[in-house]
Order: sequence, then C-alpha cells, then structure tokens
Amino acid sequence: QLRESGPGLVKPSETLSLTCLVSGGSISDTKSYWAWIRQSPEKGLEWIGSVYFNGTTYYSASLKSRLTMSVDTSKKQFSLRLTSVTAADTALYYCARGPFYSDRSGFHYLKWFDSWGPGTLVTVAS
Amino acid sequence: ELVLTQSPVTLSASPGDSATLSCRASQSLYSNLAWYQQRPGQAPRLLIYAASNRATGIPHRFTGSGSGTEFTLTISGLQSEDSAVYYCQRYNDWPPLLTFGGGTKVEIK
Repeated sequence: QLRESGPGLVKPSETLSLTCLVSGGSISDTKSYWAWIRQSPEKGLEWIGSVYFNGTTYYSASLKSRLTMSVDTSKKQFSLRLTSVTAADTALYYCARGPFYSDRSGFHYLKWFDSWGPGTLVTVAS
Repeated sequence: ELVLTQSPVTLSASPGDSATLSCRASQSLYSNLAWYQQRPGQAPRLLIYAASNRATGIPHRFTGSGSGTEFTLTISGLQSEDSAVYYCQRYNDWPPLLTFGGGTKVEIK
C-alpha cells in the first residue's frame, strides 16, 4: 500500500515537498520503480518521475530542472521536491509503483503502474 | 512527440451493453500500452498491460486488444460500477517517457 503526505497549500515560488510511505511490501524491491504522477483538469494525468531503491531517477523532461526525487529505505518512503512552483503545479499528486525491464546494457525501461496511493491535493496559491 | 488520442470522449450505455473504447498512437507502440480505470474520487486502477493482459483481479469482461498504433478496450456486460474514466498509457521508451491519453468517460444509463 502507498500513501502520500505533505502540505496541501504551497505559495508561489516556494518548494513543494511530498512523501510516499510504502507499507505491505519492500521499498527495496529490486523489481520496482516508485513514481510520482499528478492529475489536473488542464493537463490530465502527467508522469512526474520515478526513482529506484538505489537512488536512480528518471524525470519528466518538462519538470527536470525543478525536480528532485529520493528514497529513504530505512523509513520505507520516497519523496518528491519541486521548486519554484506556480499555479500550474496545482494538482492531485499520486505516488505509485511499477515494474520495469532491464536490457543487457543495464538500461531500465519503465512500464505501467500497478499500485497507487489515494492521492493528495496540492494547491499553489498565496 | 508521440500523442495518445482516446475516443470517444464520452460514452453512454445501458447495463448489459458492451462498450468499445479506442486509443490511437501517433507512432507505433508495438504492444507497450496499458489501460486504467478511474472511478470518481479514486486513484486510477490498472486494468490491462501489454495491450491485452488483464491485471490481477480484473474481471474477464474487460478485454484489451490491438498493437502498433490502434488499441481497443472492450467492456462486456456493463455494470453500474463500470461508470468511470478510462485512460490508456504508453511505456517502454528510452529515455523513459510515460504518457497518458486524455481519457474516455463511460456513463451507465
């Protein structure tokens, strides 16, 4: 099970920080990537990025310059940090788990999302 | 940029009917497509992966088909609980680029 937590209101230009607690399974699962996905009426469902238990990250190109994701295996949680937020970052934020495929070169091909948290609404406003 | 186009935007059907939802890609996805169901107030739920494989616990009345650029989700014997928005999602790119379609809303009369 996954559950998001964090402030529901963030001021423009400040930093949005969210955490996802993983329970009922291991965050160190070698077959899983941990993801953040957001949903807004304007953009629909949008993949933000994914992180592996060893800290390997993949980010959406449109958010990469403002985004940091990390994993804390001791706390069984992973986190998102998005800087310089604007009203366009207002959305329902989900954390999710998904499998991946690793080719002979060690590249990780991310796949679908088979477990989701309930989501947390983040509003960017002064 | 690869775009996923879902149609129709809204579909209205009666209980017991079948519903056919379409997801069209601007480039070939081979079979790298998933389908999700999102009921009101809930997170999306994985229905289908690899175009035609049902996820764990998904009823057999949900069927995914297609490959390349044309994909279909068929819901047979519609039930009131199937009222939801359905999304398709592409995957398996390098570097990773996971994108969703705009969704099809299914309404049960």
